Amino acid sequence: GESVGLHLPTLSVQEGDNSIINCAYSNSASDYFIWYKQESGKGPQFIIDIRSNMDKRQGQRVTVLLNKTVKHLSLQIAATQPGDSAVYFCAEKPGSWGKLQFGAGTQVVVTP
Amino acid sequence: DVKVTQSSRYLVKRTGEKVFLECVQDMDHENMFWYRQDPGLGLRLIYFSYDVKMKEKGDIPEGYSVSREKKERFSLILESASTNQTSMYLCASRSLGGGEKLFFGSGTQLSVL
Repeated sequence: GESVGLHLPTLSVQEGDNSIINCAYSNSASDYFIWYKQESGKGPQFIIDIRSNMDKRQGQRVTVLLNKTVKHLSLQIAATQPGDSAVYFCAEKPGSWGKLQFGAGTQVVVTP
Repeated sequence: DVKVTQSSRYLVKRTGEKVFLECVQDMDHENMFWYRQDPGLGLRLIYFSYDVKMKEKGDIPEGYSVSREKKERFSLILESASTNQTSMYLCASRSLGGGEKLFFGSGTQLSVL
C-alpha cells in the first residue's frame, strides 16, 4: 500500500543552525499532514499541522512546507536548540474518513 | 494540563499470558487510540474507539482486543501474548473538535519472553 516515508533517518545539527526534516508521501488522496515530536521516554507531542489547500504554515520557531506537486513535506526548525533533540514523525491523513498514517521518524541530534 | 496515563512504563510477560494494558485520560475526550511503535516502522494503529463501548479495528488488530467501558479508560488486551508483540505501546486521546491533534501517553514497553 501507499506509505509515508522519510529521506533521512538521522539528522545531526549544530546548535543555533536551522534544521530541515523531510518527508515524502505517496498517497495523492492525503489532504492533511501533521508533525509530531517525540523526546526520549515520552509520547509524541503535536508540533504543527497543515491542510492541502496551503503551501506553508508557521508556528513558534517551526515552519511546515507542503509541495503537493512532488508529494513532499518538510519541517523547518529555526535556531535549533538542545531541547529540539528528538524523533520527529510526519503523518498524513488520506481524506475525511482516513486514519493517520505515520512515517518511520527522523532522529534529530543537536550538537553544541 | 492534559494528561494521558498508561499504567505501566515497563512490562515483562511470558508467551501465552493474557496481558492488559491500561490507559486513562483526564480530558473528557471522546476518541481514544492504541498504537504500537517499532523502530523503523513508526506508529501503527491497533484499535481505536469513538466513544464508550464503541471500537474499530486499526491497521494491525490481529492478536489484540480492546475494552472501553468508561469514557476515560481504554484497555488493550493481548489474549495470548507472543514474542512478536514485544513492542512499545502508545495510548492517545483526541477530542471530537480537535482535528488530528492526538495527546499521547508516555508508552508501555512490553517484552514478551
